Amino acid sequence: AQRVTQPEKLLSVFKGAPVELKCNYSYSGSPELFWYVQYSRQRLQLLLRHISRESIKGFTADLNKGETSFHLKKPFAQEEDSAMYYCALSRSGYSTLTFGKGTMLLVSP
Amino acid sequence: GAGVSQSPRYKVAKRGQDVALRCDPISGHVSLFWYQQALGQGPEFLTYFQNEAQLDKSGLPSDRFFAERPEGSVSTLKIQRTQQEDSAVYLCASSLARSGRALTNEQYFGPGTRLTVT
Repeated sequence: AQRVTQPEKLLSVFKGAPVELKCNYSYSGSPELFWYVQYSRQRLQLLLRHISRESIKGFTADLNKGETSFHLKKPFAQEEDSAMYYCALSRSGYSTLTFGKGTMLLVSP
Repeated sequence: GAGVSQSPRYKVAKRGQDVALRCDPISGHVSLFWYQQALGQGPEFLTYFQNEAQLDKSGLPSDRFFAERPEGSVSTLKIQRTQQEDSAVYLCASSLARSGRALTNEQYFGPGTRLTVT
């Protein structure tokens, strides 16, 4: 079965510092990887997906199949980035998502 | 238009009671998903519909859990004889495409129903 691991429950940084939220996965096939974000009092929403190779709100994530990782990075954190971040995986050909336990990012002024 | 809506937003049930949670997906969305999120955990898959067909119910934790989407739109998740371990936030998500590929099939989440079983 597939699994997503986010080793940090909480990541606390100062504004302007670089951020890296770690995500590792286990799956024998070719996965599709996503980052979802939940801001305070808002619903869960898609931040980015690996295949798009896009940068959203300054965040990027690269799929490293050798290390089975999909870490989320931002060079300069902003206070508005404070939120809960979930890494998620779907098996090829399937829609359902397997989520990690999430990492709370707290950006202090 | 409006996003995915869920009702009620909060539900307190005594152990042993039956509950019904409703999800209104985005109009026209073919796929509908239910997830369960326990405190401090990520969402966990429960079941998946494509229109009115329940294509995957492998995540339902027991036969006390039942979901339906009879007309391919609104869905109801029913939990019979609730137990304390059922306390969680129940999330509904919908997506537009019929395809099974999550790659092009962004899931839009509702606000969730927080169920507390006392």
